[in-house]
Amino acid sequence: DTGVSQDPRHKITKRGQNVTFRCDPISEHNRLYWYRQTLGQGPEFLTYFQNEAQLEKSRLLSDRFSAERPKGSFSTLEIQRTEQGDSAMYLCASSSHLVGQFFGPGTRLTVL
Amino acid sequence: TQLLEQSPQFLSIQEGENLTVYCNSSSVFSSLQWYRQEPGEGPVLLVTVVTGGEVKKLKRLTFQFGDARKDSSLHITAAQPGDTGLYLCAGDYNNNDMRFGAGTRLTVKP
Repeated sequence: DTGVSQDPRHKITKRGQNVTFRCDPISEHNRLYWYRQTLGQGPEFLTYFQNEAQLEKSRLLSDRFSAERPKGSFSTLEIQRTEQGDSAMYLCASSSHLVGQFFGPGTRLTVL
Repeated sequence: TQLLEQSPQFLSIQEGENLTVYCNSSSVFSSLQWYRQEPGEGPVLLVTVVTGGEVKKLKRLTFQFGDARKDSSLHITAAQPGDTGLYLCAGDYNNNDMRFGAGTRLTVKP
């Protein structure tokens, strides 16, 4: 296993379009996290899965955002009707208990 | 307002110097992690500390978790240009509710 992977690495879209990102975690990790990071800031927590269950969602996650982890393995994050303020790096991480999180390389979203 | 405050925000030093960066909070964390992030990449986990007062060493890096589990420090001895990056601390705030500081951007000049 080579770690957490994310696809695509970069996405440019027009305002109002929908986008979907994929995250493949480390296979033995049952916990999966999504974060958003803007320039000069640390990652901001969006949501967390344990296996297929979405256990926590941040207030940052508006109704336009939805995340799934249907089989407890890979996860998708969809943003509907994108806005310019959605432009950011979207990071996925996986972990097992108390060992810290392992991050993917991120998907950089630019909304024009 | 950041739950975790990191200082300094920026640090530029010469190769061979020592440095310490800090991560402070008014909240108690069950664990705290330090990460290093390079431009365009995800953060890379350096260490996890769990016990108050714990000290961990990773080559030239020394990590300390405060006795009350509210703060932490990272000390780098004899910094090298390869240490350049964004150093982030993250606290396990409420059993998997991870909160990150804004980071310390370190530049080590040759």
